[in-house]
Amino acid sequence: QVQLQESGPGLVKPSETLSLTCTVSGGSISNYYWSWIRQPPGKGLEWIGNIYDSGNTDYNPSLKSRVIMSVSTSKSQFSLRLSSVTAADTAVYYCVKVAGRHLKWFDPWGQGTLVTVSS
Amino acid sequence: DIQMTQSPSSLSASVGDRVTITCRATQSITYLNWYQQKPGKAPKLLIYAASNLQGGVPSRFSGSGSGTDFSLTISSLQSEDFATYYCQQSYSSPWTFGQGTKVEIK
Repeated sequence: QVQLQESGPGLVKPSETLSLTCTVSGGSISNYYWSWIRQPPGKGLEWIGNIYDSGNTDYNPSLKSRVIMSVSTSKSQFSLRLSSVTAADTAVYYCVKVAGRHLKWFDPWGQGTLVTVSS
Repeated sequence: DIQMTQSPSSLSASVGDRVTITCRATQSITYLNWYQQKPGKAPKLLIYAASNLQGGVPSRFSGSGSGTDFSLTISSLQSEDFATYYCQQSYSSPWTFGQGTKVEIK
C-alpha cells in the first residue's frame, strides 16, 4: 500500500522559503493528484494545493502567490516551496494522495512534519 | 470559496451513545468526505463521497446527505472514537474543510 513521508527543515526563518519533499513508496506516483495540507498548532486543516504527475497544479488562492509545487516521477517525490514565510505559516505540513477519479478524497496521509517559523 | 460549517464544534458523550455530526456547505456540493484525527496523528479517511465507508473503518460509522447538508453518525460510540472529526469538499477549488468537531468523553 502507498506510504508517504515528508522531509525538510523543521525551522525556517521569517521571510525565507519553506521547502518540503514528500517521498511516495509502495505505489506509483503516476496518474494521480498529490496534495499538501497544513494544520497550525491547535487549529483546523487547510488545503494548500494539488499537483498532478504531469506537473499541472491547482493552488489555494489564499497562498497562490507564495506557493510552488513540483513533482519528480523518477524519484517518486513531490515538493512544496512556500516563500516569504511568517509565524502564521507555522504548522504541521502533511503530504497526501488524492484518491478517486471523478470524486476525490484524501487518502492516505503522510505522518506530517512540524515546521516552525522563527528567528 | 465554499465554506463548510460543522455542528456542533464540540460534544461530550458516553461510550455507547449515538452521535451525529452535521456539516453544511454554502452551496451544493453533491458529496463530501469525513476524516477522523486523533491527537498528534494525521487525519484518517472514514467516509468518502458522502456515504461510502473506507475499508477497515468500523460499520458503526455512517455518512449521509446530499446537496448542502450532510451528517456523520457513530451508532454506538467506543472509547477509540474520541477524536476530532472533519468534513471536506472536493467539489470545487479551493478544496475546503469544516472547522472540526471534537468528540470528548462525558
